[in-house]
Amino acid sequence: DAGVIQSPRHEVTEMGQEVTLRCKPISGHNSLFWYRQTMMRGLELLIYFNNNVPIDDSGMPEDRFSAKMPNASFSTLKIQPSEPRDSAVYFCASSPLSGEQFFGPGTRLTVL
Amino acid sequence: SQKIEQNSEALNIQEGKTATLTCNYTNYSPAYLQWYRQDPGRGPVFLLLIRENEKEKRKERLKVTFDTTLKQSLFHITASQPADSATYLCALDMDSSASKIIFGSGTRLSIRP
Repeated sequence: DAGVIQSPRHEVTEMGQEVTLRCKPISGHNSLFWYRQTMMRGLELLIYFNNNVPIDDSGMPEDRFSAKMPNASFSTLKIQPSEPRDSAVYFCASSPLSGEQFFGPGTRLTVL
Repeated sequence: SQKIEQNSEALNIQEGKTATLTCNYTNYSPAYLQWYRQDPGRGPVFLLLIRENEKEKRKERLKVTFDTTLKQSLFHITASQPADSATYLCALDMDSSASKIIFGSGTRLSIRP
């Protein structure tokens, strides 16, 4: 398996633009997680899905953030409109029932 | 709410020595605790998971202990090597579902030759 795949790897956009981050989890994993990492705040959980269903989105900072998982092999995290304070590395991770998480390479987002 | 504390300062160890990292938590006792390694520019990589009914777990040169009375986990790397230099994160589950976990801020470990 290729592991968790994320795209794009880098994204530079201007304030106010819509940003869509994509994730393909490891086949057979039943949970998917979106995290954001910054120097100041560390690794923060934004939202997670079990069997494609959103379970907890309490970490989503604002209504500008939304996430979907239309099927077991694909998820998106959308920011609309983006702001400079959204600049961070966004990680997607998937997990089997045993609990350990497998992270993707991340998307480095810069909002100017 | 659950809080995790890890050594905020970097840990510098001489090659060949044992590195010991600490993870303390408050409040809710987790069903399990995990340790991850993160290298610059990369995502965290899972290392070990230890359950609440396990006192110790080993994997090659790695050893993790879990003391639910002290609310603490220790992560040991024996015979440390410069390649072990990285940031190490501990994580524990937030609720009984054990799906949602939170991460500590991590400890940066440097192994000098």
